[in-house]
Amino acid sequence: GDSVTQMEGPVTLSEEAFLTINCTYTATGYPSLFWYVQYPGEGLQLLLKATKADDKGSNKGFEATYRKETTSFHLEKGSVQVSDSAVYFCALTSSGSARQLTFGSGTQLTVLP
Amino acid sequence: DAGVTQSPTHLIKTRGQHVTLRCSPISGHKSVSWYQQVLGQGPQFIFQYYEKEERGRGNFPDRFSARQFPNYSSELNVNALLLGDSALYLCASSSGLAGGQNIQYFGAGTRLSVL
Repeated sequence: GDSVTQMEGPVTLSEEAFLTINCTYTATGYPSLFWYVQYPGEGLQLLLKATKADDKGSNKGFEATYRKETTSFHLEKGSVQVSDSAVYFCALTSSGSARQLTFGSGTQLTVLP
Repeated sequence: DAGVTQSPTHLIKTRGQHVTLRCSPISGHKSVSWYQQVLGQGPQFIFQYYEKEERGRGNFPDRFSARQFPNYSSELNVNALLLGDSALYLCASSSGLAGGQNIQYFGAGTRLSVL
Protein backbone atom coordinates (compact mmCIF):
# COMPACT_ATOMS: atom_id res chain seq x y z
CA GLY A 1 0.00 0.00 0.00
CA ASP A 2 0.84 3.67 -0.09
CA SER A 3 3.24 5.04 2.52
CA VAL A 4 5.14 8.21 3.37
CA THR A 5 8.37 8.36 5.36
CA GLN A 6 9.56 11.58 6.94
CA MET A 7 12.85 12.34 8.61
CA GLU A 8 12.94 11.81 12.32
CA GLY A 9 12.33 14.88 14.44
CA PRO A 10 12.22 17.14 16.24
CA VAL A 11 14.26 19.75 14.39
CA THR A 12 15.55 22.86 16.17
CA LEU A 13 17.04 25.73 14.18
CA SER A 14 18.10 29.30 14.79
CA GLU A 15 16.25 32.07 13.01
CA GLU A 16 17.47 32.61 9.40
CA ALA A 17 18.91 29.09 9.18
CA PHE A 18 18.30 26.84 6.15
CA LEU A 19 15.65 24.18 6.53
CA THR A 20 15.36 20.77 4.90
CA ILE A 21 12.80 18.16 5.91
CA ASN A 22 13.17 14.91 4.02
CA CYS A 23 10.19 13.00 2.66
CA THR A 24 10.12 9.82 0.58
CA TYR A 25 7.11 7.88 -0.57
CA THR A 26 5.86 4.56 -1.90
CA ALA A 27 2.79 4.58 -4.10
CA THR A 28 1.29 2.97 -7.15
CA GLY A 29 0.88 5.01 -10.28
CA TYR A 30 1.48 8.74 -10.20
CA PRO A 31 0.58 10.23 -6.84
CA SER A 32 0.02 13.87 -6.03
CA LEU A 33 2.26 15.12 -3.23
CA PHE A 34 1.54 17.63 -0.49
CA TRP A 35 3.06 19.35 2.49
CA TYR A 36 0.67 20.31 5.27
CA VAL A 37 1.53 22.38 8.36
CA GLN A 38 -0.09 22.17 11.77
CA TYR A 39 0.31 25.03 14.23
CA PRO A 40 -0.30 24.39 17.93
CA GLY A 41 -3.97 23.81 18.69
CA GLU A 42 -5.03 24.06 15.06
CA GLY A 43 -5.96 21.77 12.20
CA LEU A 44 -3.86 21.10 9.13
CA GLN A 45 -3.20 23.80 6.54
CA LEU A 46 -2.04 23.05 3.02
CA LEU A 47 1.41 24.54 2.53
CA LEU A 48 2.20 23.45 -1.03
CA LYS A 49 1.55 20.70 -3.57
CA ALA A 50 2.86 19.09 -6.73
CA THR A 51 0.86 16.88 -9.04
CA LYS A 52 3.42 15.47 -11.48
CA ALA A 53 7.08 14.65 -11.77
CA ASP A 54 9.50 17.62 -11.73
CA ASP A 55 6.75 19.99 -10.55
CA LYS A 56 7.92 22.44 -7.90
CA GLY A 57 5.43 23.55 -5.28
CA SER A 58 6.13 26.79 -3.45
CA ASN A 59 4.46 28.99 -0.85
CA LYS A 60 5.59 31.45 1.84
CA GLY A 61 9.26 30.84 0.99
CA PHE A 62 8.92 27.05 1.24
CA GLU A 63 9.66 24.85 -1.77
CA ALA A 64 9.50 21.16 -2.64
CA THR A 65 10.20 19.40 -5.93
CA TYR A 66 8.48 16.17 -7.01
CA ARG A 67 11.34 13.75 -7.78
CA LYS A 68 9.93 10.57 -9.28
CA GLU A 69 13.35 8.97 -9.82
CA THR A 70 14.12 9.15 -6.10
CA THR A 71 10.45 9.04 -4.93
CA SER A 72 11.09 12.11 -2.83
CA PHE A 73 9.46 15.44 -2.02
CA HIS A 74 11.83 17.21 0.36
CA LEU A 75 10.70 20.50 1.94
CA GLU A 76 13.16 23.42 1.95
CA LYS A 77 13.25 27.02 3.10
CA GLY A 78 16.22 29.31 2.77
CA SER A 79 15.69 31.36 5.94
CA VAL A 80 13.32 30.20 8.67
CA GLN A 81 11.49 32.48 11.08
CA VAL A 82 10.24 31.93 14.61
CA SER A 83 6.71 31.95 13.19
CA ASP A 84 7.54 28.82 11.13
CA SER A 85 7.62 26.75 14.31
CA ALA A 86 5.01 24.02 13.75
CA VAL A 87 4.60 20.36 12.79
CA TYR A 88 5.06 19.61 9.09
CA PHE A 89 3.42 16.63 7.40
CA CYS A 90 4.25 15.17 4.03
CA ALA A 91 1.30 13.44 2.35
CA LEU A 92 0.15 11.89 -0.90
CA THR A 93 -2.95 10.88 -2.77
CA SER A 94 -2.43 8.01 -5.14
CA SER A 95 -3.96 7.84 -8.57
CA GLY A 96 -6.14 4.96 -7.43
CA SER A 97 -7.81 6.78 -4.53
CA ALA A 98 -7.48 10.44 -5.21
CA ARG A 99 -9.61 11.54 -2.31
CA GLN A 100 -7.68 9.77 0.46
CA LEU A 101 -4.58 11.35 1.94
CA THR A 102 -1.77 9.16 3.29
CA PHE A 103 0.40 11.07 5.77
CA GLY A 104 3.88 10.76 7.14
CA SER A 105 4.45 10.85 10.89
CA GLY A 106 5.21 14.56 10.97
CA THR A 107 8.29 16.62 11.82
CA GLN A 108 8.24 19.09 14.69
CA LEU A 109 10.16 22.26 13.82
CA THR A 110 11.19 24.75 16.48
CA VAL A 111 12.88 27.98 15.42
CA LEU A 112 14.73 29.89 18.12
CA PRO A 113 15.22 33.68 17.98
CA ASP B 1 -16.51 32.28 3.62
CA ALA B 2 -16.39 29.99 6.63
CA GLY B 3 -13.90 27.16 6.59
CA VAL B 4 -14.52 23.63 7.77
CA THR B 5 -16.20 23.73 11.17
CA GLN B 6 -16.19 20.91 13.68
CA SER B 7 -18.03 20.44 16.95
CA PRO B 8 -17.49 20.01 19.76
CA THR B 9 -13.93 21.27 20.21
CA HIS B 10 -13.20 19.01 23.15
CA LEU B 11 -14.96 15.98 24.54
CA ILE B 12 -14.38 13.71 27.51
CA LYS B 13 -15.99 10.28 27.62
CA THR B 14 -15.55 7.08 29.59
CA ARG B 15 -14.85 3.63 28.25
CA GLY B 16 -17.86 1.90 26.70
CA GLN B 17 -19.70 5.11 25.91
CA HIS B 18 -20.76 6.35 22.50
CA VAL B 19 -19.71 9.62 20.85
CA THR B 20 -20.91 11.68 17.88
CA LEU B 21 -18.67 14.23 16.20
CA ARG B 22 -19.97 16.76 13.70
CA CYS B 23 -18.53 18.51 10.68
CA SER B 24 -19.74 21.21 8.32
CA PRO B 25 -17.79 21.46 5.06
CA ILE B 26 -16.82 24.56 3.15
CA SER B 27 -19.78 25.92 1.20
CA GLY B 28 -19.96 24.24 -2.20
CA HIS B 29 -17.87 21.24 -1.17
CA LYS B 30 -19.59 17.90 -1.58
CA SER B 31 -16.98 15.56 -0.10
CA VAL B 32 -16.13 15.06 3.56
CA SER B 33 -13.34 12.89 4.94
CA TRP B 34 -12.56 11.91 8.51
CA TYR B 35 -9.11 11.31 9.96
CA GLN B 36 -7.85 10.19 13.36
CA GLN B 37 -4.66 11.77 14.67
CA VAL B 38 -3.13 10.11 17.68
CA LEU B 39 -0.70 12.29 19.63
CA GLY B 40 2.69 12.39 17.94
CA GLN B 41 1.55 10.69 14.74
CA GLY B 42 0.22 11.66 11.35
CA PRO B 43 -3.51 11.56 10.62
CA GLN B 44 -4.97 8.19 9.61
CA PHE B 45 -7.84 8.00 7.12
CA ILE B 46 -11.14 6.72 8.51
CA PHE B 47 -13.88 7.51 5.97
CA GLN B 48 -14.71 9.53 2.93
CA TYR B 49 -18.20 10.51 1.84
CA TYR B 50 -19.20 12.10 -1.43
CA GLU B 51 -22.75 13.00 -2.39
CA LYS B 52 -23.98 11.19 0.72
CA GLU B 53 -22.36 7.88 -0.22
CA GLU B 54 -19.38 6.21 1.38
CA ARG B 55 -16.52 6.31 -1.12
CA GLY B 56 -13.67 5.05 0.99
CA ARG B 57 -12.97 3.41 4.33
CA GLY B 58 -9.72 3.04 6.20
CA ASN B 59 -8.58 0.22 8.44
CA PHE B 60 -10.82 0.94 11.43
CA PRO B 61 -13.18 -1.41 13.30
CA ASP B 62 -16.92 -1.47 12.78
CA ARG B 63 -17.35 0.56 15.96
CA PHE B 64 -16.62 3.53 13.73
CA SER B 65 -19.39 4.70 11.41
CA ALA B 66 -20.29 7.89 9.61
CA ARG B 67 -22.89 9.47 7.44
CA GLN B 68 -23.36 12.52 5.26
CA PHE B 69 -26.52 14.57 5.15
CA PRO B 70 -28.26 16.26 2.19
CA ASN B 71 -26.59 19.57 3.13
CA TYR B 72 -23.21 17.74 2.93
CA SER B 73 -22.50 18.02 6.64
CA SER B 74 -21.32 14.83 8.28
CA GLU B 75 -21.27 12.91 11.55
CA LEU B 76 -18.71 10.45 12.81
CA ASN B 77 -19.96 7.96 15.39
CA VAL B 78 -17.83 5.78 17.60
CA ASN B 79 -19.43 3.08 19.76
CA ALA B 80 -18.05 1.20 22.75
CA LEU B 81 -15.21 3.66 23.27
CA LEU B 82 -11.77 2.34 24.17
CA LEU B 83 -8.88 4.19 25.78
CA GLY B 84 -7.06 3.93 22.45
CA ASP B 85 -9.74 6.00 20.75
CA SER B 86 -8.36 9.09 22.48
CA ALA B 87 -7.16 11.30 19.64
CA LEU B 88 -7.75 14.42 17.60
CA TYR B 89 -10.46 13.74 15.02
CA LEU B 90 -10.09 15.83 11.91
CA CYS B 91 -12.64 16.52 9.26
CA ALA B 92 -11.63 17.62 5.77
CA SER B 93 -13.76 18.83 2.92
CA SER B 94 -13.07 18.97 -0.79
CA SER B 95 -14.95 19.65 -3.97
CA GLY B 96 -14.79 15.95 -4.72
CA LEU B 97 -13.06 16.30 -8.05
CA ALA B 98 -10.59 13.54 -8.76
CA GLY B 99 -6.88 14.12 -9.22
CA GLY B 100 -4.34 16.58 -7.89
CA GLN B 101 -6.81 19.46 -7.83
CA ASN B 102 -8.79 17.70 -5.14
CA ILE B 103 -7.32 19.64 -2.25
CA GLN B 104 -8.62 18.73 1.16
CA TYR B 105 -9.20 21.56 3.63
CA PHE B 106 -9.13 20.65 7.29
CA GLY B 107 -11.06 21.81 10.29
CA ALA B 108 -9.45 22.46 13.68
CA GLY B 109 -10.55 19.06 14.93
CA THR B 110 -12.34 17.57 17.92
CA ARG B 111 -10.09 16.37 20.72
CA LEU B 112 -11.59 13.26 22.28
CA SER B 113 -10.33 11.97 25.60
CA VAL B 114 -11.51 8.56 26.78
CA LEU B 115 -11.04 7.89 30.49
